[in-house]
Amino acid sequence: GAGVSQSPSNKVTEKGKDVELRCDPISGHTALYWYRQSLGQGLEFLIYFQGNSAPDKSGLPSDRFSAERTGGSVSTLTIQRTQQEDSAVYLCASSSQTGAGGYTFGSGTRLTVV
Amino acid sequence: AQSVTQPDIHITVSEGASLELRCNYSYGATPYLFWYVQSPGQGLQLLLKYFSGDTLVQGIKGFEAEFKRSQSSFNLRKPSVHWSDAAEYFCAVAPLDQGGKLIFGQGTELSVKP
Repeated sequence: GAGVSQSPSNKVTEKGKDVELRCDPISGHTALYWYRQSLGQGLEFLIYFQGNSAPDKSGLPSDRFSAERTGGSVSTLTIQRTQQEDSAVYLCASSSQTGAGGYTFGSGTRLTVV
Repeated sequence: AQSVTQPDIHITVSEGASLELRCNYSYGATPYLFWYVQSPGQGLQLLLKYFSGDTLVQGIKGFEAEFKRSQSSFNLRKPSVHWSDAAEYFCAVAPLDQGGKLIFGQGTELSVKP
């Protein structure tokens, strides 16, 4: 596609429910990154994919968070048993090369846990 | 410790005045360097990037940044600020040995006085 697409744009969920956030990167971009933006924490790296593999998951906050990427394209970030502290904007970015190609960010998914 | 520092949380400048936003990083080898802008409710837009070569980098919207190795700095400048430049500005680095993931500074919020 022309840009990085994220869905849904907004999600309100009850505490304890599971949520799935989707990222559709730019076609042909092999690298895909997830970040979280929350008040007081700034922009935090969560996980990155090179193709379908995730060489770096170091930013995932807990084992309630997981992500996968299929077909070297779409990625899904899943948060199980959501907590209020999970409320944030989740941003996805893709790149044609790791770092050197620059990054294109999606508009994000705003997650609110009530 | 590895870090990216934006010392100024909030800056206010008058329209037409010059602007400089500071960014310092602490990494063993010079990483790739970026400046992003985020308007309220919007995603991140790349202003400019530095990989190597000329240390003065030109970006979009009339912005430029200068890489100074001796100071581990990558400050963003604009000669004459417009009201539409009011936004949050993020400095980011991609360390060469971390798969291209971006590490962000805490951001500087820019307000523009008429």
